[in-house]
Amino acid sequence: AQSVTQLDSQVPVFEEAPVELRCNYSSSVSVYLFWYVQYPNQGLQLLLKYLSGSTLVKGINGFEAEFNKSQTSFHLRKPSVHISDTAEYFCAVSFQGAQKLVFGQGTRLTINP
Amino acid sequence: DAGITQSPRYKITETGRQVTLMCHQTWSHSYMFWYRQDLGHGLRLIYYSAAADITDKGEVPDGYVVSRSKTENFPLTLESATRSQTSVYFCASSDGPEAFFGQGTRLTVV
Repeated sequence: AQSVTQLDSQVPVFEEAPVELRCNYSSSVSVYLFWYVQYPNQGLQLLLKYLSGSTLVKGINGFEAEFNKSQTSFHLRKPSVHISDTAEYFCAVSFQGAQKLVFGQGTRLTINP
Repeated sequence: DAGITQSPRYKITETGRQVTLMCHQTWSHSYMFWYRQDLGHGLRLIYYSAAADITDKGEVPDGYVVSRSKTENFPLTLESATRSQTSVYFCASSDGPEAFFGQGTRLTVV
């Protein structure tokens, strides 16, 4: 079965510290990969996407992610977080070009001053 | 306004009542989706539509009905609401790999 797993439901970090949010998927077919961010009481906003090409993808707000095909992972990183990065982050996968997305369970990122 | 709009933003309804959540997009995207967001489950696909008059079930379709008579609208109806349908509902549209989401409707069934 095709599935997406975010390994941490909550990640607390201090301001200006680096952070990594982990995402693994289960599939043997080609994939498109996405990270979305949800600020409180808002919809989902695209952070970055991997469709093809370079496996290191840069997104908005200083975030980046690396596609590792052998590990079937797409971890999100930021070298120095800010209070404003406090939000819920969702990894999503499109399997074999399908338009519909399969989401992970979400990771709540909390930034402490 | 351009974009994707959901209404209402908040709704409280009673068990057994029918309720319809509205979704409107101005991009003329072919695909539209309904997801529900629940703690610990992320977003799960309820129904989706590839074009007007073409709809298909997602992961959790039971208890929901959709229609798409016009490209820009994709209403979601709960025929007889149950407490387990208390959730935040997101509509999305796409015409390529990336999906664009509405602000969500928070539905409480009492």
